[in-house]
Amino acid sequence: NAGVTQTPKFQVLKTGQSMTLQCAQDMNHNSMYWYRQDPGMGLRLIYYSASEGTTDKGEVPNGYNVSRLNKREFSLRLESAAPSQTSVYFCASSDLLGTENNEQFFGPGTRLTVL
Amino acid sequence: TQLLEQSPQFLSIQEGENLTVYCNSSSVFSSLQWYRQEPGEGPVLLVTVVTGGEVKKLKRLTFQFGDARKDSSLHITAAQPGDTGLYLCAGEGGYSTLTFGKGTMLLVSP
Repeated sequence: NAGVTQTPKFQVLKTGQSMTLQCAQDMNHNSMYWYRQDPGMGLRLIYYSASEGTTDKGEVPNGYNVSRLNKREFSLRLESAAPSQTSVYFCASSDLLGTENNEQFFGPGTRLTVL
Repeated sequence: TQLLEQSPQFLSIQEGENLTVYCNSSSVFSSLQWYRQEPGEGPVLLVTVVTGGEVKKLKRLTFQFGDARKDSSLHITAAQPGDTGLYLCAGEGGYSTLTFGKGTMLLVSP
């Protein structure tokens, strides 16, 4: 099992460009998440999908959109990138929806720079 | 908004020393998790604590959940260079989402 995979690993964009970050998991998990990690800020939730067919905003959703393509895949789109979106983006998944042990499995991250 | 405050933000120690990292909140969480993140990788779960007052041990790591389920601590005995990394606490609120603290960066030198 590959676990959670993310593409690309690195990306440089110019202000105003758009791009989609891809995430896939092979653990048959119901829930998937997108976070951004900035120095000194920890992990902040952008969007999540509690189950296939649903998506909800997290703490910092502005400037982003998501698509839960199927149970395996959850993509994050930046329509018009801004320098403030320079960050490391992590995708995660979990299987135990609403239970006590909501362990989240993380991908290796996408390092995005917006110039 | 539920907030988790971690302290210290950065800790640099010598191999063999003991240390404690704290995670505090004014909110009650149904459970609290500790993750470790190594450079260039995603966080990996170390432990989940669920019951107030609970203590869990993982080799040289001891995790404690406060009686009121608002705070937690991580104690490492005889730290080793392999313990180096970013330690994150995360509280589970509602809808299966986690609120993460800002993390404690630990550097253990030989």
